[in-house]
Amino acid sequence: NAGVTQTPKFRILKIGQSMTLQCTQDMNHNYMYWYRQDPGMGLKLIYYSVGAGITDKGEVPNGYNVSRSTTEDFPLRLELAAPSQTSVYFCASSSGGGARGNTIYFGEGSWLTVV
Amino acid sequence: GENVEQHPSTLSVQEGDSAVIKCTYSDSASNYFPWYKQELGKRPQLIIDIRSNVGEKKDQRIAVTLNKTAKHFSLHITETQPEDSAVYFCATTGGSQGNLIFGKGTKLSVKP
Repeated sequence: NAGVTQTPKFRILKIGQSMTLQCTQDMNHNYMYWYRQDPGMGLKLIYYSVGAGITDKGEVPNGYNVSRSTTEDFPLRLELAAPSQTSVYFCASSSGGGARGNTIYFGEGSWLTVV
Repeated sequence: GENVEQHPSTLSVQEGDSAVIKCTYSDSASNYFPWYKQELGKRPQLIIDIRSNVGEKKDQRIAVTLNKTAKHFSLHITETQPEDSAVYFCATTGGSQGNLIFGKGTKLSVKP
């Protein structure tokens, strides 16, 4: 059972570089999310999507972009990487919104360092 | 917007003892309260959740209580074992889309 798969697992970026974190899920979930987790902190929502073609900002969207062309895929784009974007990134999905009590399933995480 | 405060940030207990983690929230409209466990280097995983029409829920050694009047909910782990050592996150729904807002986490260490 693949669930939520994200790549790469580890990446080192230089300041100003750009990259895309890939995320795909095979559970036919409508909702997908990108969170970042800084050391000693909780999970902060970057962007989310309630279905193909629909995306919206979360708590900390600056410096990121997303797209949702298919139900399965939800890539996160980092433009002009900055040291403040050093973090662990988690992609996640759920069948419905959190307010309805739908379980959110997380990917294994992507460790990103910007130097 | 919704704000979730979680305490304590670290908790150390002896194996067999109980552990309690508490969270408070600000939005009275919040109606779903999950708890996630994250082992070192792993992804967060749901361990138990409760909805606003229920005051308490148990699953073996884990229980969650909810006090909507006081706007707080707690995770109780009884007969702790070393494998319970992890970071635990509370969460609740907030914002216009009801997305989950997470607490900052509690690092639980269970000493053998």
